[in-house]
Amino acid sequence: DAKTTQPTSMDCAEGRAANLPCNHSTISGNEYVYWYRQIHSQGPQYIIHGLKNNETNEMASLIITEDRKSSTLILPHATLRDTAVYYCIVKVSDYKLSFGAGTTVTVRA
Amino acid sequence: GAGVSQSPSNKVTEKGKDVELRCDPISGHTALYWYRQSLGQGLEFLIYFQGNSAPDKSGLPSDRFSAERTGGSVSTLTIQRTQQEDSAVYLCASSLKIAGASGYEQFFGPGTRLTVL
Repeated sequence: DAKTTQPTSMDCAEGRAANLPCNHSTISGNEYVYWYRQIHSQGPQYIIHGLKNNETNEMASLIITEDRKSSTLILPHATLRDTAVYYCIVKVSDYKLSFGAGTTVTVRA
Repeated sequence: GAGVSQSPSNKVTEKGKDVELRCDPISGHTALYWYRQSLGQGLEFLIYFQGNSAPDKSGLPSDRFSAERTGGSVSTLTIQRTQQEDSAVYLCASSLKIAGASGYEQFFGPGTRLTVL
């Protein structure tokens, strides 16, 4: 699996967009970019995934650069409930998830 | 709708005792996964069940760990002769798509916090 690099932490104002970067310069052509998050004391929650094209769902948008070496998760209107650790994972379509340290996002009122 | 449920939510046991952790996946999900997450650590894959296929046990840390899935639904993770290093949150997840498909989403349960004294 390709290694990912994320900032350790970031703050975001409530109601504003939160842009979470992820670097994955060694990504292979068949590897997807997945985003999960984990709110304190809860199980991880799937957010979104993509291969080449930008993706959007009810939770977030995923922007993948043309060379696929980095991506950005966008939470369009952050709420206090979005405070969590966000994990960027690069994998082929496989089932053995593993999380690194992720980005601790704190949404402030 | 009902999500993945796990029981118990917390388990405190003494070193050397056996424990059983239960997972009820989302109805209709063919794939079931067990992971564990130690304090301050990332997510560690343990075992994977897919339909009637032989489970992938490659993540089990020792032969004290075993899991079964009865009737393609409920799963039990058993840890024999528990050790203090087994203390962690044990997470169960299920998914609808089969591994190897074009992307998937795993739905996680709330976890069982295991503390071995």
